[in-house]
Amino acid sequence: AQSVTQPDIHITVSEGASLELRCNYSYGATPYLFWYVQSPGQGLQLLLKYFSGDTLVQGIKGFEAEFKRSQSSFNLRKPSVHWSDAAEYFCAVGASGGGADGLTFGKGTHLIIQP
Amino acid sequence: DAGITQSPRHKVTETGTPVTLRCHQTENHRYMYWYRQDPGHGLRLIHYSYGVKDTDKGEVSDGYSVSRSKTEDFLLTLESATSSQTSVYFCAIGLGAGNTIYFGEGSWLTVV
Repeated sequence: AQSVTQPDIHITVSEGASLELRCNYSYGATPYLFWYVQSPGQGLQLLLKYFSGDTLVQGIKGFEAEFKRSQSSFNLRKPSVHWSDAAEYFCAVGASGGGADGLTFGKGTHLIIQP
Repeated sequence: DAGITQSPRHKVTETGTPVTLRCHQTENHRYMYWYRQDPGHGLRLIHYSYGVKDTDKGEVSDGYSVSRSKTEDFLLTLESATSSQTSVYFCAIGLGAGNTIYFGEGSWLTVV
């Protein structure tokens, strides 16, 4: 069975500093990987996804993520965070090819931005 | 905007009562999902559907049933609500490459 681990429950970053959110997955084949962001009281918005090809993927809002097969990781990065980036971030894994049974999510990382 | 509407958006109900949450989509997507979100657990799949009258269980299906009699509607029913079912429920659709999941705005359910 597939699984996702987000090791950091909370992360605090100063505005303007760089950010990296960690995600490790367990899956028997090449996975499909996703990052979502959730602002308080809102639904989840897709930031970016990786299916194949270039292991560095660009997303919305200036985010990027890098797939490292050897480390089973898909870490999310942003060079300079803004106060509006404060939110909950979820990493997710899905079956390669796009299975009908949806995605498996990590428990989330809560990002706090210090002024 | 994935064209997903959830109703009701907020509900308070009493233990033991039945509750139905509705998810409506406007674009005839085949795959639909119900997830619940709880602090410390992230999102967990309750049930999913891959077509009209075609549904299957997810990770946390006990106490829940679903129905999909039309492509556009996916209903989640709590037959007899319990306090452990107090949660935020998200409907989602899957579409495009990799069956990417897109979420609705959520339904906040409190069972007292």
